[in-house]
Amino acid sequence: DTGVSQNPRHKITKRGQNVTFRCDPISEHNRLYWYRQTLGQGPEFLTYFQNEAQLEKSRLLSDRFSAERPKGSFSTLEIQRTEQGDSAMYLCASSLVGPHEQYFGPGTRLTVT
Amino acid sequence: KQEVTQIPAALSVPEGENLVLNCSFTDSAIYNLQWFRQDPGKGLTSLLLIQSSQREQTSGRLNASLDKSSGRSTLYIAASQPGDSATYLCAVREAGANNLFFGTGTRLTVIP
Repeated sequence: DTGVSQNPRHKITKRGQNVTFRCDPISEHNRLYWYRQTLGQGPEFLTYFQNEAQLEKSRLLSDRFSAERPKGSFSTLEIQRTEQGDSAMYLCASSLVGPHEQYFGPGTRLTVT
Repeated sequence: KQEVTQIPAALSVPEGENLVLNCSFTDSAIYNLQWFRQDPGKGLTSLLLIQSSQREQTSGRLNASLDKSSGRSTLYIAASQPGDSATYLCAVREAGANNLFFGTGTRLTVIP
C-alpha cells in the first residue's frame, strides 16, 4: 500500500468555475477526512466520513462545497462557483476507527485566479 | 473552542544541536496528540502519536512528551541534521471528537 493519494496535485481555475478533487485513502482505513490549509497556517478541518457516511461537517464547509464517498473507498470534494478565497491546499487524511493516527496525502493545491 | 499554539514560530540551529519544540493547547480534555512534519508545498508526515494516558513516545531521534493537565507537549529532536529542516505541526484530537485541531507550526532550519 502506497499511502493516501490525491489528484490532481495542482489545479488552477478561474473564479466562478467548479472544481473536483479526488482522494484515495489507505485501503483498510474506514475513516476519511478533508482539511484545508492556507499559507502559514495549520490545516483546518472540513469534513469526515466513516465508510460512506458523512458524519461531520465544519462551519467552514459552505454550501458551495460538497463531499462524497459513495462506496466507502475514494472520496471527492467539489467546490462550485470558486472564489479567490478558496485558494488553498486541500488535504485528505485517513485512519482506522479508534485512537489511531491520521495519515495525510500530498494535498491538492488550488489556485483561483 | 480548542486552540493550539506553537512556540517559537521559527527556529534556526546549527547541525548537531539538540532542540525542543513546544505545543500548548487550551482544553485539556484530549483524546490524543499527534506531531507531524511538513516539507514546503507537501503533505503532512506523521511523526509520533501520544494517547492521553501516555506521558511520552519515542521514535529514533525524536521524543515527544505530553502533560495533559497543563495543556503542553514538547517534541525533542536529538543531534539535529539538515534533513530535519521542515515545519513541525502539533495537532490535538479532543475527547469525543474525530477531527484534529492544528497549531500554526514551527519552521525549523538546521544549518550545516
